[in-house]
Amino acid sequence: GAGVSQSPSNKVTEKGKDVELRCDPISGHTALYWYRQSLGQGLEFLIYFQGNSAPDKSGLPSDRFSAERTGGSVSTLTIQRTQQEDSAVYLCASSFSLQQPQHFGDGTRLSIL
Amino acid sequence: QQQVKQSPQSLIVQKGGISIINCAYENTAFDYFPWYQQFPGKGPALLIAIRPDVSEKKEGRFTISFNKSAKQFSLHIMDSQPGDSATYFCAASKEWSGAGSYQLTFGKGTKLSVIP
Repeated sequence: GAGVSQSPSNKVTEKGKDVELRCDPISGHTALYWYRQSLGQGLEFLIYFQGNSAPDKSGLPSDRFSAERTGGSVSTLTIQRTQQEDSAVYLCASSFSLQQPQHFGDGTRLSIL
Repeated sequence: QQQVKQSPQSLIVQKGGISIINCAYENTAFDYFPWYQQFPGKGPALLIAIRPDVSEKKEGRFTISFNKSAKQFSLHIMDSQPGDSATYFCAASKEWSGAGSYQLTFGKGTKLSVIP
């Protein structure tokens, strides 16, 4: 497909477990972004990558959250020791470059029991 | 501090009518203002966007009006259709190197229902 692909689409896990969320951007897009969407907080920025580097990590809510991008393509968002407040839809977006429109995937719905 | 305020929270419009959603921002460094449309279970889809050098942009039935001095912008959907029923988000970003650049700051969303 031509769009941003995210997996899994749904993830249910127990509190305290680690989870990894994957994002496959649109081919050729150098910039990649992670956002979180929850009922209480709306859409919040987490982190972005230009190539493999992440110049701005200010949106990550705690040190339990980390993200990496290798090969300038796929990115993974890792949440360690999950808490119930981490339950949300995690959205990934990509753009051709940093000053271009961002295109979103359909997200991973994360539920922490 | 909510940097982008969106209203109304919900909106019901008759088919064929005009839907109007408003947003106001606080940060004068913002220089890119997109609108996204989101259907249940899907990610936000870019609808239309504007930069501060123009006061209006039109694409089909969708128009953005931008008032830089008032720090406000709005989305108008002409001839609204039931298929337009979705949640609409305004957003803003600043595109220069520095803290907070490139990230989209979103409004809280407007749930639009277009009734036949």
